[in-house]
Amino acid sequence: SQELEQSPQSLIVQEGKNLTINCTSSKTLYGLYWYKQKYGEGLIFLMMLQKGGEEKSHEKITAKLDEKKQQRSLHITASQPSHAGIYLCGADRTGTYKYIFGTGTRLKVLA
Amino acid sequence: DAGVIQSPRHEVTEMGQEVTLRCKPISGHDYLFWYRQTMMRGLELLIYFNNNVPIDDSGMPEDRFSAKMPNASFSTLKIQPSEPRDSAVYFCASSSTGIVTEAFFGQGTRLTVV
Repeated sequence: SQELEQSPQSLIVQEGKNLTINCTSSKTLYGLYWYKQKYGEGLIFLMMLQKGGEEKSHEKITAKLDEKKQQRSLHITASQPSHAGIYLCGADRTGTYKYIFGTGTRLKVLA
Repeated sequence: DAGVIQSPRHEVTEMGQEVTLRCKPISGHDYLFWYRQTMMRGLELLIYFNNNVPIDDSGMPEDRFSAKMPNASFSTLKIQPSEPRDSAVYFCASSSTGIVTEAFFGQGTRLTVV
């Protein structure tokens, strides 16, 4: 089974709407990494959180990490077509190089 | 720098054939990672190298998969023989540290095994 469950798998929203992508884990993982991927392109690093309870924002994107509940989220406010793409959450297994990733959320924003 | 360069971008091959994916990391980066991305399993680390030496290959699914890094500027991921379930997007990434947030990813190779 997938260690890092990401939901929803796909999302279509109207421009201007807010949305949230969630990542949950049944095992203890550390940190939170969010990447964005456009079709046919590599991954682009968005932001990283390392401490439980931490929240970080960049432009209209906010990431939250609750390590106690093993819940991770990405929130986009007033979405725009430029936000479209695949969003991947990632986490760390005990500080090794074995970073693991969720299955991705395909986001489409309708103009 | 042109970034991490992968080739080919797309590969369609018949089951049983050998497939070789190539990666040129960013010059000066000591770490090189191979990932596989599928709809079902997401992005998985297959193997990573440090200074051309394979450090952890526990993510390699089967003996049909092998990876080499003969020098600091080139790495290959080989599948022999290929199977339809190997169809995926394979990413190569490199970094000057082992920290995932400092890794640069290539554009990926979309492999389809028919």
